[in-house]
Amino acid sequence: NAGVTQTPKFQVLKTGQSMTLQCAQDMNHEYMSWYRQDPGMGLRLIHYSVGAGITDQGEVPNGYNVSRSTTEDFPLRLLSAAPSQTSVYFCASSYQGGIAVEAFFGQGTRLTVV
Amino acid sequence: KNEVEQSPQNLTAQEGEFITINCSYSVGISALHWLQQHPGGGIVSLFMLSSGKKKHGRLIATINIQEKHSSLHITASHPRDSAVYICAVHGGTSYGKLTFGQGTILTVHP
Repeated sequence: NAGVTQTPKFQVLKTGQSMTLQCAQDMNHEYMSWYRQDPGMGLRLIHYSVGAGITDQGEVPNGYNVSRSTTEDFPLRLLSAAPSQTSVYFCASSYQGGIAVEAFFGQGTRLTVV
Repeated sequence: KNEVEQSPQNLTAQEGEFITINCSYSVGISALHWLQQHPGGGIVSLFMLSSGKKKHGRLIATINIQEKHSSLHITASHPRDSAVYICAVHGGTSYGKLTFGQGTILTVHP
């Protein structure tokens, strides 16, 4: 089925550990992005990409790293987890052929850093 | 001031009522999305609009580009409509970033 596949669904990390959240889409969307959702804050953009080899920072990029080696995949790396990174993370994709299309979201990752 | 403002932030209704959620934005856009998120759940796209009006079942979405305003209407609301409704806009530049409103928490009582 077409869509965005995001893994894992849940994760608990210790402070200082690193991990990678995976995001893949099979709709040939150019635009992929990562958001964190915190109570009372809405969805905030961490990093985004408009194509393979192109990434840029959003409003809350510190502590996160991304790469886009293929159109399909856009992993998010936490370099050294901190309790402030406890949040729910969503990956999203859109834009096909340069035209805005329906946005698709991954199922979300609930991350707890202890 | 946020680029995307939604109102109201919280909305309580009785089953069967007509519901309206509003979204105003301050930037040029290429498209506007209405999204739905159930408690503890994922985010689902309801509509994408760049002009005019769209209808899907009991849901209707409209957009006025000149006034930078969109509305989401739910006719004959039902308890299963209880969710957070989020307005998001794609910036007007090429591959414009997706910016979200704060969301509207809708509770529909039987």
